[in-house]
Amino acid sequence: KNQVEQSPQSLIILEGKNCTLQCNYTVSPFSNLRWYKQDTGRGPVSLTIMTFSENTKSNGRYTATLDADTKQSSLHITASQLSDSASYICVVSARDDYKLSFGAGTTVTVRA
Amino acid sequence: GAVVSQHPSWVICKSGTSVKIECRSLDFQATTMFWYRQFPKQSLMLMATSNEGSKATYEQGVEKDKFLINHASLTLSTLTVTSAHPEDSSFYICSASAGGLYTEAFFGQGTRLTVV
Repeated sequence: KNQVEQSPQSLIILEGKNCTLQCNYTVSPFSNLRWYKQDTGRGPVSLTIMTFSENTKSNGRYTATLDADTKQSSLHITASQLSDSASYICVVSARDDYKLSFGAGTTVTVRA
Repeated sequence: GAVVSQHPSWVICKSGTSVKIECRSLDFQATTMFWYRQFPKQSLMLMATSNEGSKATYEQGVEKDKFLINHASLTLSTLTVTSAHPEDSSFYICSASAGGLYTEAFFGQGTRLTVV
């Protein structure tokens, strides 16, 4: 069973609107959580990295939140642009384990 | 900084032939490189981990004789898919780390392999 679950699987939003993606994980003991953007046919690009003590982190129009107690994270995209169309992947790493746990991703489609 | 380049970006090969994919760290020395495979709408799956100058560590279920990994220098790792079959068609992604297993790794742009 995947230790990182993302929802929704996909979503379509209009340009300029906001959206929020969810990530629930069971990875333990927790080290850090990362959100990546993956354009079709490209490798993942890091958006944010959060450790246990961080509740929120922003990168431009992307804001990630983390609740380590409930093991939930969200990625909020503000004022979406057509270029935001991509798959967004939540990745969690455990302490003392170099292997990463990947979510299946949320595919975001931004339409004009 | 932290640029990882993969080559080629896409390749089409005939069944039974071998294909080599290169992963280079352009602006840092990568002591550790990871190779992943990704099927459509699925998570990245770790295939193997390689440290410069030593044999790669393969994940369970990954055939080491089929997926040959060489990490002969601190800036280059190669993945060779031998005797490729259509079921090997996938998106292959590498990532490279400067500080070993526990340091953040940066991803290459991926290679789309299609076996016909």
